[in-house]
Parts: sequence; structure tokens; C-alpha cells
Amino acid sequence: NAGVTQTPKFQVLKTGQSMTLQCAQDMNHNSMYWYRQDPGMGLRLIYYSASEGTTDKGEVPNGYNVSRLNKREFSLRLESAAPSQTSVYFCASTQDRGFADTQYFGPGTRLTVL
Amino acid sequence: AQSVTQPDIHITVSEGASLELRCNYSYGATPYLFWYVQSPGQGLQLLLKYFSGDTLVQGIKGFEAEFKRSQSSFNLRKPSVHWSDAAEYFCAVGVRYNTDKLIFGTGTRLQVFP
Repeated sequence: NAGVTQTPKFQVLKTGQSMTLQCAQDMNHNSMYWYRQDPGMGLRLIYYSASEGTTDKGEVPNGYNVSRLNKREFSLRLESAAPSQTSVYFCASTQDRGFADTQYFGPGTRLTVL
Repeated sequence: AQSVTQPDIHITVSEGASLELRCNYSYGATPYLFWYVQSPGQGLQLLLKYFSGDTLVQGIKGFEAEFKRSQSSFNLRKPSVHWSDAAEYFCAVGVRYNTDKLIFGTGTRLQVFP
């Protein structure tokens, strides 16, 4: 039972490069989330998808795009990476209600933008 | 606006000592409250959650939390800390407005000395 998986685990980019972070869950959850974690700031929501085919902005969406490829997969794309996007990125999923259901987190992707 | 405050950035305790981590929230409606734990290099894992009913909630790993509406608090406690409890702890409140989401506190890092 893998739960929530994320690839890659680590990535170093140069300013202006693009990349896609991949997330997949095998729990048949409807809702998926992307967070970033920065020291002293907790977790902040970037984008979320309440169901297959829908995506919505969270607290800090600028500089990111997402795709809910199917029920299992939710990817996060940085089109032109900036040093301010250096962070640890977590994907999470819930059965339905993001405000009430348990969120299951992946192991994270540590991204450094030079 | 909704917010979660964890006033202690870093706490150090001796193994076997009791622990209390503080969490205060600001939210107009009846809150959904959570505590998550993050071990080094890992994603977050749910410790416990409170929706309604008994204000003392039991969680995994011997943790408990008490909801006090009059103080807008949801403090996490453990009677006797083990070295394996060293981690970062996040309090979160579930918010349901135009976005169903969790708002996280900034976290408390727990260090345990033998």
C-alpha cells in the first residue's frame, strides 16, 4: 500500500528552467492538494483539486500550474523557476472534504532554485 | 481571517518528562481541529482530530489534545515523552468557505534529550 507517492525526491534547477513535480495516490481519494513548506511558515496551499477535472487556486498559486491528469495523479508545474520557489513541496490527498477529512501526505520533494 | 498560532517554535524536554504543545486558533464557526506530526525528512502524519463531542481527544502514539472553546485553544499533551517523539508538530484548523482547506500553524520543533 504505497499511499501518496511523489517524484522526484530532490531537484536542483537554475533560474528560468521549468519542471513538473509528480504526485500519485492509490487510495481512490477524490481530493488532492499541493503545499509548499518553508522554515517558520508552516505549510501553505498552492493549488488543490476537489475532484477529477477540477482545480482551484490556494493561498500561493503565482508561478505554478497544476494538472489533475486522472483521479490518481495531480502534477505541479513550474514554468520558469525562481529562487523564491526554493522549498519543500508536499502533495496530499483526502477522501472528500479537505477541511474535515484526514489528509494523507507524500514524502515531499526538496527543490532548490539557483 | 482564520489563523492558527503555535507560540513555541522550539521545545526541548528530557525523555520521560511530560509535554504540552500549545495551539490557538482564530475562526468564527465551530472548528475542525487537527494535530499532525512530521518526522525528519518525512511527510506529515495525522496524530488526532477534533470535530465535536468530548473535548478531550485521544490520538496515536499516546498523544491527547483538549479543545477549550473559551480559550480558542487545542493543546497537545503526552504524559511521558519518548526519544522517538522528536519531530515537528503542526496544529491545523479546517476551513470551509469557498475553498475547503486546512490552515496550518508554523509548527513546533520538539527535541528530546536522553
